[in-house]
Amino acid sequence: DIQMTQSPSSLSASVGDSVTITCRASQAIPNSVAWYQQKPGTAPKLLLYGATRLQSGVPSRFSGSGSGTEYTLTISSLQPEDFATFYCQQHYSSPPTFGQGTKVEIK
Amino acid sequence: QVQLLQSGSELKKPGASVKVSCKASGHSLTNYGLNWVRQVPGRGLEWMGWINTNNGYPTYAQGFTGRFVFSLDTSVSSAYLQISGLKAEDTAVYYCANDRGRTGGFDTWGQGTLVLVSS
Repeated sequence: DIQMTQSPSSLSASVGDSVTITCRASQAIPNSVAWYQQKPGTAPKLLLYGATRLQSGVPSRFSGSGSGTEYTLTISSLQPEDFATFYCQQHYSSPPTFGQGTKVEIK
Repeated sequence: QVQLLQSGSELKKPGASVKVSCKASGHSLTNYGLNWVRQVPGRGLEWMGWINTNNGYPTYAQGFTGRFVFSLDTSVSSAYLQISGLKAEDTAVYYCANDRGRTGGFDTWGQGTLVLVSS
């Protein structure tokens, strides 16, 4: 199985800050990464797939990049509603596997 | 509105069984694989496997064989997760999810069903 190592596990940031979350895969997963946002008590929400493709309805302040084994999610200009836990997931091979999550908290 | 609607929370004793339902609303259950994802309280997401909604063939992830069964009833647009021989460590929120956009990511999720196993 492909392991996804996500970092950091948590971070504190202020409204308006730009933040970056990284996922490293245990093997190359060409552009096959999805990113999710999860707020307490709710289901995950798909933000991006294919490493860089924004899911319909997701604000453009969310963006993704990367290649090979390393991928990043960037949130430019954090908004109050963005504070949540974020997960990466590889969709290159089965089983799909998730990172451990990054909790973005208000500083 | 496109949704997956799950059954409500369950409180079960160790050794009992539980059946969680996931009903497709606003879209067809068939033609999209239906996945099950577990989230232990305070922990991350774990893919349990999926069921082919065209032929009913299930695929189970490692660690979810034996006591876990995926099934369908397409006449009511529903999928089911049954867990037998419940243990305290099965306490979790169970989600159904599919990839209607065929993006590789899960774009439609149920609201989750909490299964609490306690004596």
